Amino acid sequence: DQQVKQNSPSLSVQEGRISILNCDYTNSMFDYFLWYKKYPAEGPTFLISISSIKDKNEDGRFTVFLNKSAKHLSLHIVPSQPGDSAVYFCAASAWGAQKLVFGQGTRLTINP
Amino acid sequence: DTGVSQDPRHKITKRGQNVTFRCDPISEHNRLYWYRQTLGQGPEFLTYFQNEAQLEKSRLLSDRFSAERPKGSFSTLEIQRTEQGDSAMYLCASSGRTRSLSYNEQFFGPGTRLTVL
Repeated sequence: DQQVKQNSPSLSVQEGRISILNCDYTNSMFDYFLWYKKYPAEGPTFLISISSIKDKNEDGRFTVFLNKSAKHLSLHIVPSQPGDSAVYFCAASAWGAQKLVFGQGTRLTINP
Repeated sequence: DTGVSQDPRHKITKRGQNVTFRCDPISEHNRLYWYRQTLGQGPEFLTYFQNEAQLEKSRLLSDRFSAERPKGSFSTLEIQRTEQGDSAMYLCASSGRTRSLSYNEQFFGPGTRLTVL
C-alpha cells in the first residue's frame, strides 16, 4: 500500500532550466507535506514543506505546489544548478501522527 | 550548531549476531524517530519517542528489534539475531519547535549502513 508515490524514478534537466518533481498521495488524512534531498551516503536533508491550508510555498529557488483535489504536489527548482543533482523524496504526515510517509524518490541530474 | 549524529556509520556483521546503533538528536529536540531505508525505496518508519517514552512502533519492528531512549536524550536501536533481510540504512531523525514552527519537520542524521553477511 504505497500511500505516497513518485512515479518518475529519474529526471534529467539542463543547468539553468526549471526542474519539476512530482508526487501523488492517496491518503486524504495527510495534511502536511515535505520535500527532502539526499546525497549518496548521507541522510535526507529537509528542503521545504507545505501545510494543507496552503497551495504554494516558496523558499528561494524552491517552490512547492499543492493540489489537494488532485492529491498531487510538485517541487519546482528554478534555476537548476549542478549541486541540485541528488535524489529527492516527498513525504507526508497526517494530523496527530508523528511518522512521515515517504515516496520512492526521484533521481535528479542537472546537466551542464 | 550540531545536527543529528549516528554511530557507527557502517556495520558489517554475520547472520545471527546482535548489533546496536546509537543516535544523538539535536539537543533541544524532544522527539526522536527511527527509519529504515532499503535500496531504491524511501525511508520507512520504525518507531518514535517523545522524551523517553516510546509512543509508536511500526509492524516492521519485529520482536528482534528494540529501541530505547533513556533520559530522553540519545537513543539506541538493537537488532538481535540479525538476518540478511535486515541489511539496510538505519536513519535517525529528531524534531522540535526550536528550529521550525512545526514538529513535522524532521531532521535526519547520516545513517548507519548495516550489512549482514
